Amino acid sequence: GAVVSQHPSRVICKSGTSVKIECRSLDFQATTMFWYRQFPKQSLMLMATSNEGSKATYEQGVEKDKFLINHASLTLSTLTVTSAHPEDSSFYICSARDQGGGETQYFGPGTRLLVL
Amino acid sequence: DAKTTQPNSMESNEEEPVHLPCNHSTISGTDYIHWYRQLPSQGPEYVIHGLTSNVNNRMASLAIAEDRKSSTLILHRATLRDAAVYYCILRDGGYGGATNKLIFGTGTLLAVQP
Repeated sequence: GAVVSQHPSRVICKSGTSVKIECRSLDFQATTMFWYRQFPKQSLMLMATSNEGSKATYEQGVEKDKFLINHASLTLSTLTVTSAHPEDSSFYICSARDQGGGETQYFGPGTRLLVL
Repeated sequence: DAKTTQPNSMESNEEEPVHLPCNHSTISGTDYIHWYRQLPSQGPEYVIHGLTSNVNNRMASLAIAEDRKSSTLILHRATLRDAAVYYCILRDGGYGGATNKLIFGTGTLLAVQP
């Protein structure tokens, strides 16, 4: 099946710094990618929909100035957590659907962020 | 987004079939029924999806009720590696196409006993 990668797999940073997470579709092109966040023992929460070449669409309650999303190509979307705080520590997961069609949505392995 | 209802947890014995139920009484005509599973500390993995007819693939079978208000994911022979959280999700396949979202509920935690 199609593969979605994320980098880094885990990151530890100091409070107040910014962290960038990359999401790549390795063998297909994706005009739309999705970013989720998951806290321990909870389900995935959709943060935003990333659209290639245009602005991301954020879910209600998600701060667009704090979670910057860039989708510069059909295979790469990035999420930058700006001025990270300990409460931003979470498991961030991206997902993509092949623009060629089909219902299947492919998920990355996730990035675990720990803000000290 | 239409909602789904699943049991919080289920148990199964290894090498026995598992039937995971999902209720979606407010499903619309263009909603696809998706199943994903998530192992600890991993991203979700696609299992199967369907619209109206029952579906089979190498991982599982999906049985969809005639009125589409419920469905059942069937693992034919559970293994220890099948222990995971299973999510039943509806995705609108109508207008909006690829941007229509997968919204996760709480899912069913499946435990498999050796």
